[in-house]
Amino acid sequence: NAGVTQTPKFQVLKTGQSMTLQCAQDMNHEYMSWYRQDPGMGLRLIHYSVGAGITDQGEVPNGYNVSRSTTEDFPLRLLSAAPSQTSVYFCASSFDILQETQYFGPGTRLLVL
Amino acid sequence: KNEVEQSPQNLTAQEGEFITINCSYSVGISALHWLQQHPGGGIVSLFMLSSGKKKHGRLIATINIQEKHSSLHITASHPRDSAVYICAVLSYNTDKLIFGTGTRLQVFP
Repeated sequence: NAGVTQTPKFQVLKTGQSMTLQCAQDMNHEYMSWYRQDPGMGLRLIHYSVGAGITDQGEVPNGYNVSRSTTEDFPLRLLSAAPSQTSVYFCASSFDILQETQYFGPGTRLLVL
Repeated sequence: KNEVEQSPQNLTAQEGEFITINCSYSVGISALHWLQQHPGGGIVSLFMLSSGKKKHGRLIATINIQEKHSSLHITASHPRDSAVYICAVLSYNTDKLIFGTGTRLQVFP
């Protein structure tokens, strides 16, 4: 199993550009989520999904869209990048939120100029 | 005030020392997770607790639900234990994880 994969590893954007952060898992997990990690703060939930076709907002959803057309993939879209979205983004998955092991991707470091 | 507080923020130790990292929370929880973030950035689950104590190798995690407090202990610490240790609680009301800001541990030989 590849586990949770994220692409790209690093990206530089200009303000106003759009892009999609990719996340995929091959463990048949129903629960997938996106977090952002900023200095001095804990990981914060952006969006999550409890299964294909079902998504919901987390703590900091503004400026981001998600979709879940398959169990495997959960892309995160930045519609119009802003410097405040400079962060490290982690995708995570598990069978459900109560599962002991939460699997995290390696992260995407995003810099918005 | 953050819903999940960790202490200390930074910790240095000599190889072989016993390490304790603390986590206090202010919300009702279904479970508490301890995670390890490597210097390269990757995050790994260590434990999930809802009561009592768990042990994996040199790592021991305890939780006191009444006091809303958990501790992560590392016995016979080693330089490879150097990492950021993150506490996260699963909120009983929202079914979402709330993360602490982490404790940065450096173990010197």
